[in-house]
Parts: sequence; structure tokens; C-alpha cells
Amino acid sequence: KAGVTQTPRYLIKTRGQQVTLSCSPISGHRSVSWYQQTPGQGLQFLFEYFSETQRNKGNFPGRFSGRQFSNSRSEMNVSTLELGDSALYLCASSLVTLNTEAFFGQGTRLTVV
Amino acid sequence: TQLLEQSPQFLSIQEGENLTVYCNSSSVFSSLQWYRQEPGEGPVLLVTVVTGGEVKKLKRLTFQFGDARKDSSLHITAAQPGDTGLYLCAGATSNTGKLIFGQGTTLQVKP
Repeated sequence: KAGVTQTPRYLIKTRGQQVTLSCSPISGHRSVSWYQQTPGQGLQFLFEYFSETQRNKGNFPGRFSGRQFSNSRSEMNVSTLELGDSALYLCASSLVTLNTEAFFGQGTRLTVV
Repeated sequence: TQLLEQSPQFLSIQEGENLTVYCNSSSVFSSLQWYRQEPGEGPVLLVTVVTGGEVKKLKRLTFQFGDARKDSSLHITAAQPGDTGLYLCAGATSNTGKLIFGQGTTLQVKP
């Protein structure tokens, strides 16, 4: 059974640019969540998509957005990149039962210069 | 705002020693997960605890969920260098995919 796949693994962008990250969840998982991980803030929840709808949203500016497709694959977009957006972006997929267990991809390391 | 406070943040011990990591909150969680993360990789799920007072063992790792489902602990017996990594606790409060993470405990086990 394939795990969660995130692409690309590494990305270098310039301030002001925009970026799109991709996540393919485990087959059969309909929930995809995105997290930002930085040394100072740890893992911060960005948003969750379930059946193509955003179901939960964290406290991030509107520059951060996402979407989910009918096959459960998800994309995350960050516009007008800032230096502070440099982080490891992690995608997690879940079956979403009462006892949520999240399975993470390897992440996309975004560096903004 | 739900918070999970994890302690200690850093732990450096010798091989063979025991250690305990704590995860505390004022919020009740429906379940709590523990993850281990290697540098540059995503977190890997170790265990999920669901019932208040529940204890789960994974080889030399023992996980406990508090009776009130607000706190949890991870105890490692006879730590080995292969246990080195970042340990994260995460709580779920509803029937969604959203998890609240603690700040993590960086464990270094020296041979």
C-alpha cells in the first residue's frame, strides 16, 4: 500500500513569487491536512480538506490556500512569498474516524530567498 | 485555543538510561497520537491512545493516556542510539483530520 506522496521534495523560490505544492494521500483516505513546520513554531495546522471541501482552517493569512480534487489529491498554494514562509510543509492523510490517525508524507522543504 | 505543552524540549542521555516525555493540556482530547520524526522527513505514527487511563506498549516504549484524557506520557526503557529523534504528541478533538501538536522533544541518546 503506497504511502503519502508529496512533490516536490525541495523548492527554492524568491520573495514575491507564488508556489504550489502537491500531495497524494493513501488510497481510500478522504481527509488531507496540511501543516507548516518551523524550528521556532513547531507543527502548525494550515487547513484540512475532506471530500473536496475545506473543513478546518488554521490561523494563517489568506496567502495560504488549498484545494482537493475528486481523487482526494490535494494542492496547497502560497502567493506573494515572504522569507518567513521558509519551512517544511507536511501533508497528512486520514481515514477520519473517531480516533483520527494521520499519516504524513516526507514533506516539501520550501526555501524563500 | 487548544494547546499541548510538551516537556522536556531537549533531552540528552546515555545509552541504557530511562526517560519520560510529558504532554499536557487543559483541553480534553478524543484521542492522542505520538509520532517520531527524523531530520528532513515527515513524522511517523508510533501509537494512538483513545481511552482515559489506557496504557500501550511498543517494545521498550510505554505510552499512557491520562484518566481525564488531557495528558499523556511516553516512557522509554533502556534507551538506545536508534531512539534518537524528535518525538511529537498530537491531540484530536473531533471527528476530523485536524491535530494539535506539542512543540516536540528532541532526544539524543549517546552510545
